[in-house]
Amino acid sequence: GQQLNQSPQSMFIQEGEDVSMNCTSSSIFNTWLWYKQDPGEGPVLLIALYKAGELTSNGRLTAQFGITRKDSFLNISASIPSDVGIYFCAGVNAGGTSYGKLTFGQGTILTVHP
Amino acid sequence: NAGVTQTPKFQVLKTGQSMTLQCAQDMNHNSMYWYRQDPGMGLRLIYYSASEGTTDKGEVPNGYNVSRLNKREFSLRLESAAPSQTSVYFCASKTSSGNTIYFGEGSWLTVV
Repeated sequence: GQQLNQSPQSMFIQEGEDVSMNCTSSSIFNTWLWYKQDPGEGPVLLIALYKAGELTSNGRLTAQFGITRKDSFLNISASIPSDVGIYFCAGVNAGGTSYGKLTFGQGTILTVHP
Repeated sequence: NAGVTQTPKFQVLKTGQSMTLQCAQDMNHNSMYWYRQDPGMGLRLIYYSASEGTTDKGEVPNGYNVSRLNKREFSLRLESAAPSQTSVYFCASKTSSGNTIYFGEGSWLTVV
């Protein structure tokens, strides 16, 4: 099945550093979503993006909907230990037989060292 | 706020046993979903229900059945569990018009 290419797969950083991760696809999406999953919990929505070029912030998190509608990135500034978890991107297909379908990236595992 | 609630949280099954994972949402959402999460695979859609009374196969439906009991509830059944079904299962829901999907806390299933 279709997948988003999310990178990096994992990151090990020091507290206070900035983090950047991204997702790319060969398909066009009309919505991009970024989720965080804490250990033992379900994914929780961080940011939703609805328009190409849109740049949205949520506290220390900033995400952008790529102009081509085939990519998105998430930045975390000044990381703290509680940022640890798995981050997932998800895209909603814009057309064709997959219209409206939600596809997830493989996830980025973030570890923050105090 | 309950949101999406799924049970059980943890379950160990023997190969060949059957069980049902229960899911309920209190957000009046039309669409409900069952995903499984395996290491390095992200979230893969098993079945979904776009509205009450309808169900459709997702990416990995084999070995599973679902029932949309009413608008609130969407259950996932394993008729004859196999070790390959060891996974974390997530129920989710969203409105028909919106694209934001909300997840339950997960059910950890081990088949031995």
